[in-house]
Amino acid sequence: DTEVTQTPKHLVMGMTNKKSLKCEQHMGHRAMYWYKQKAKKPPELMFVYSYEKLSINESVPSRFSPECPNSSLLNLHLHALQPEDSALYLCASSLYSKQGATEAFFGQGTRLTVV
Amino acid sequence: SQELEQSPQSLIVQEGKNLTINCTSSKTLYGLYWYKQKYGEGLIFLMMLQKGGEEKSHEKITAKLDEKKQQSSLHITASQPSHAGIYLCGADMKSNFGNEKLTFGTGTRLTIIP
Repeated sequence: DTEVTQTPKHLVMGMTNKKSLKCEQHMGHRAMYWYKQKAKKPPELMFVYSYEKLSINESVPSRFSPECPNSSLLNLHLHALQPEDSALYLCASSLYSKQGATEAFFGQGTRLTVV
Repeated sequence: SQELEQSPQSLIVQEGKNLTINCTSSKTLYGLYWYKQKYGEGLIFLMMLQKGGEEKSHEKITAKLDEKKQQSSLHITASQPSHAGIYLCGADMKSNFGNEKLTFGTGTRLTIIP
């Protein structure tokens, strides 16, 4: 199983809503990532979890709250988002996050629209 | 400025022709990855290069990492419609926290015309 599964595939939410994005992998990977991708731009890193601990937070606004309940699951909790937060949110995992060590596998993404 | 620059930004190639995409870094690369993305979808891992001078091939795609480990090229031979998409190089860069983060290049949009 070399899959990273993201749910939902599409999400439309209002600015006052609270929602969560979910990501799951069963490859035994110990590093998991959230990326945000705007149209015609490369993915930009938001968070990195290494061994279920937050190791990188790329100055992401607090309306995005990541959670890693166990080594297979990664959540992104959303609250009071703005229309400019509309984007494709990608989850990825890799064996571990050491430099140059291993490739990352990506999910299909969640297309988020904030209205 | 971008740490990883790709060229060209977009490429239109007739089916059956060869093409090359380049990825240049201002820093030494410890791991260089090539990914392909269809519009609005996730990234598909193509290849990983670690050693200077390393070259890998998969089907009709060949990737190389130069000796100084600051530039990589992706070459597609006899292009097919299935090769169309966005090609992204990625590399492990130091984050503000001192650890590593996978950073992507600016991307190359490839269109194959019949």
